[in-house]
Amino acid sequence: RKEVEQDPGPFNVPEGATVAFNCTYSNSASQSFFWYRQDCRKEPKLLMSVYSSGNEDGRFTAQLNRASQYISLLIRDSKLSDSATYLCVVKSATSGTYKYIFGTGTRLKVLA
Amino acid sequence: GAGVSQSPSNKVTEKGKDVELRCDPISGHTALYWYRQSLGQGLEFLIYFQGNSAPDKSGLPSDRFSAERTGGSVSTLTIQRTQQEDSAVYLCASSLRWEVRETQYFGPGTRLLVL
Repeated sequence: RKEVEQDPGPFNVPEGATVAFNCTYSNSASQSFFWYRQDCRKEPKLLMSVYSSGNEDGRFTAQLNRASQYISLLIRDSKLSDSATYLCVVKSATSGTYKYIFGTGTRLKVLA
Repeated sequence: GAGVSQSPSNKVTEKGKDVELRCDPISGHTALYWYRQSLGQGLEFLIYFQGNSAPDKSGLPSDRFSAERTGGSVSTLTIQRTQQEDSAVYLCASSLRWEVRETQYFGPGTRLLVL
């Protein structure tokens, strides 16, 4: 089982739609969580950190469920420019040190 | 201010040759990370530096891979005797500190193709 798992998609949604992605992680000692966005052939860029209480940034809402070990990202009122791959990232303690584990990403395509 | 820069942006090499990839982190960032992204795959965490020290090298794929950082700034990732399976995009990132919630800023990557 992968440490961080995501549905690869693609999710094809019309403009204006609401779309949600989930990501599960296996290490219960994971400490911090992030969503990154990666455009085709570009480097990943931080979209938002994910806090235990949930957090919102404009049209984007992130949630963390430690009991079930998953995080989610909700995008409301999708724009064409939201088309990208969304990477779930978990910072986990392992063997006395820490590692950032990236999921393989969920591809989103917003259609006109 | 300048972001993370990497060089070269593209590298084509022959199997068996050594390559050296360079990363210039954001000025003042003490933590530096190396990742590898193969076609259609997620990012694979290779190694990180706190200052000049790499606490855990277990993420490096084989002993052909090594990395160093000097002066708390520039880092180089060296791949000796390259193999075709080393072909990937090598991404470097930096963050201000090695803290739980520090944001990583990525460079544009070096696309390595081993023929």
